[in-house]
Formats: sequence, structure tokens, C-alpha cells
Amino acid sequence: EVQLLESGGGLVQPGGSLRLSCAASGLSFSSQVISWVRQAPGKGLEWVSKISGGGGSAFYGDSAKGRFTISRDNVKNTVYLQMRSLRVEDTAIYYCAKELADAALDVWGQGTMVTVSS
Amino acid sequence: DIQMTQSPSTLSASVGDRVTITCRTSQSIGIWLAWYQQKPGQAPNLLIYKASTLQSGVPSRFSGSGSVTEFTLTISNLQPDDFATYYCQLYDSPYTFGQGTKLEI
Repeated sequence: EVQLLESGGGLVQPGGSLRLSCAASGLSFSSQVISWVRQAPGKGLEWVSKISGGGGSAFYGDSAKGRFTISRDNVKNTVYLQMRSLRVEDTAIYYCAKELADAALDVWGQGTMVTVSS
Repeated sequence: DIQMTQSPSTLSASVGDRVTITCRTSQSIGIWLAWYQQKPGQAPNLLIYKASTLQSGVPSRFSGSGSVTEFTLTISNLQPDDFATYYCQLYDSPYTFGQGTKLEI
């Protein structure tokens, strides 16, 4: 069974940094494109970033450009999201998800909560 | 950027009903649209991809149609488990999600 497990969320002050991890099991990890999607409390879904299987290509949504960096370690079967210069509006549940056939996100983790507050 | 408009934002229905949710885009996106269901406290669940392909394990009462700029998700014979929030997603840059439709009893 394919599973994704996020970790690294928590409370951080505005302007601070946090690194999220997404650990995968049950799949051929190095061939999988992985995305991060977030959801602010009571709000809709927002795509944040994605990374190719080999890690050579990364893409970002407007809210993440210049502040977030996605990376992966295919030995550890883990994708990371390094978040810097965090803002109150970055407060959200952050999900990682696996891409299906370049067409959708078919397996999701349970999410990790990030709270940016003073 | 491509704009997504999902409607309605809220939909009231009863068990056994047939309902339709629409997603419109500001530019042609071919068939690169996916639909998800999300229940409170849970991660989203993929229902449909490439506009009309049913994801494995999803009941056949869910169906998707459309192309270019207008897409629909139809749920036939609504079941109690179907009352949730539904999102469309453009599966091409910038991978935008629709605003969501809350399906209520």
C-alpha cells in the first residue's frame, strides 16, 4: 500500500523558517512526482509546489515563489519543503501528494499543521 | 494565469438525487481537469482525472464530462456518504483548484 506521511509542522513566528518532510513507502519513489498542497483553516485547497522524480525540476505557486524550496532525497524516500520568511497567511494544513499519470494527485498524506503567529 | 470558476459554492440535495457541479476556466485546458472529494478532517480523495476518467475504486455513480473550458462532475443516486466538499483542479501550470462546492443534505 502506498503511504505518505508528513511531519515537521508546528508553531513559528512571522519571519521564521520551517522544514516539512514527506516520507513515502510502498512505491517506486524515485519515479514519482510529488506535490505539496495547503489548506488554510476553513478555506479551500491551494497548490504550493511540485518536484520531479529525479529532483531536477521544481515548480512553485505564486505564494511560494522566492520563499519556499522543494527538494527530495531518493535514498530516504523523502520530499522536503523548506519554508522561509513565513507569514501569518501561510498558516495551513500542508499535504503532500503523489501524482498520477501527469494528470491528478491520487495518494495524499494526512497533513501537517503549520501555524505562523507571534 | 488561467482563472477557475467553480459553481455552485453550496448545493443542497437529498439521498437519491442527481446533482451536477460545474467548473469553468478562462482559457482552454483541453481535458486536464481533476475532481476531488474532501470530508471534514480528512485529506482530499481523487474521484476523476483527465476530465472523465474514473479513479480506481470510486463508485460509478460519479462521472465527469467536458473539455476545453467547461467541465462537470455529476453524482447520481446520492448516498449519505457523498455529502462532502468537492473541488476541481486544473492539472497543468499553475495547478489551480476551484473554490469548492459544499454538498449538504
